[in-house]
Amino acid sequence: SQTIHQWPATLVQPVGSPLSLECTVEGTSNPNLYWYRQAAGRGLQLLFYSVGIGQISSEVPQNLSASRPQDRQFILSSKKLLLSDSGFYLCAWSPDRGHEQYFGPGTRLTVT
Amino acid sequence: GDSVTQMEGPVTLSEEAFLTINCTYTATGYPSLFWYVQYPGEGLQLLLKATKADDKGSNKGFEATYRKETTSFHLEKGSVQVSDSAVYFCALDPGNFNKFYFGSGTKLNVKP
Repeated sequence: SQTIHQWPATLVQPVGSPLSLECTVEGTSNPNLYWYRQAAGRGLQLLFYSVGIGQISSEVPQNLSASRPQDRQFILSSKKLLLSDSGFYLCAWSPDRGHEQYFGPGTRLTVT
Repeated sequence: GDSVTQMEGPVTLSEEAFLTINCTYTATGYPSLFWYVQYPGEGLQLLLKATKADDKGSNKGFEATYRKETTSFHLEKGSVQVSDSAVYFCALDPGNFNKFYFGSGTKLNVKP
């Protein structure tokens, strides 16, 4: 069966510090991968998605970036965090378009 | 463009009450429709889905019917439990893009 992992589970970082969040999927190959952000009490905002290694589509221009160095690994990064980057970050995968997405447990990021 | 609109929350019900959470959509093609549930501090879990008009998705006592004539996919449950307290998201997959469109989420509180 397929599983999706995210780490860390929680993170507290000062403004201006770098960020690296990691997501990995097991039990499948060539998945579509997604990064979402959920602000407190709000809906989901799609940040990036990827349909293959090195292929990244950005939905929201901001100080975040994403990379997919391996087939089942998706990384969310920032060089300098802003207060507004605080939120709950969710990674998801899908076997292909037209299929449901499966979500990881999330990373709670607090920028202080 | 494609979009999903959900009823505003929170919805507060007593245990064993009937639940309806409204969801309507706008889509140019033939989308698949989903309901996800998010428990506090967790990622989203797929609750049910429907891939074509008149399909009924069901799971754990929840049901939703894909109504193309009213562009709706309302979530229903005959008798809610305290453990159903969560945030519910309606989602649409247009099928021709590699991404979903999520509603803003509806928080459900069930009182004993």
